Amino acid sequence: DIVMTQSPESLAVSLGERATINCRSSQSVLYSSNNKNKLAWYQQKPGQPPKLLIYWASTRESGVPDRFSGSESGTDFTLTISSLQAEDVAVYYCQQYYSTPYTFGQGTKLEIK
Amino acid sequence: EVQLVESGGGLVQPGGSLRLSCAASGFTFSSHWMHWVRQAPGKGLVWVSRIDTDGRTTNYADSVKGRFTISRDNAKNTMYLQMNSLRAEDTAVYYCVGSEFYLGKWGQGTLVTVSS
Repeated sequence: DIVMTQSPESLAVSLGERATINCRSSQSVLYSSNNKNKLAWYQQKPGQPPKLLIYWASTRESGVPDRFSGSESGTDFTLTISSLQAEDVAVYYCQQYYSTPYTFGQGTKLEIK
Repeated sequence: EVQLVESGGGLVQPGGSLRLSCAASGFTFSSHWMHWVRQAPGKGLVWVSRIDTDGRTTNYADSVKGRFTISRDNAKNTMYLQMNSLRAEDTAVYYCVGSEFYLGKWGQGTLVTVSS
């Protein structure tokens, strides 16, 4: 199984500041057909289902604000929120969809400082 | 509007069975692989199972293999999860998810509680 390791477990950032969440996969999740990584990011607010933010490691889902961005370097992935808003308080998960069992990171709880 | 509506959750005793359903609308159900993802209270997300577009290919997490069966009826735009030999550790909210590679479409979830 591919292990997804997320850091930090929790993060407190001031409004308007940058938030950065990291994720590392235990092996490559590069899809040879399009040379893109099969890595997604989800946002989950309390009492709600997860919401897809980013797929193919850096493609923003339709309707997701452009303050959210994804980047990659080999098996290291990063979700960045450029200017934190109050509504961004949530738990964020990375996930690989390269092979079954699909696996998630353990989650990063993002709060306002 | 895309909608995935789960039903069938509830309280069941250890060793019992439940059948979850997921009714889809607002997208071409028959063109999407479908998944079940679960989340135990206060815990993270865990992928459970997936089924291909015509129901011929299925995959399961090791923790449910041999106990859970995923299926779909494209004529009814509905997916199912038959859960047998339930254990306390199966207690979770079960989400129905539609995918185009990534897990793009999520239902609201249905709670399954396994307890005596």
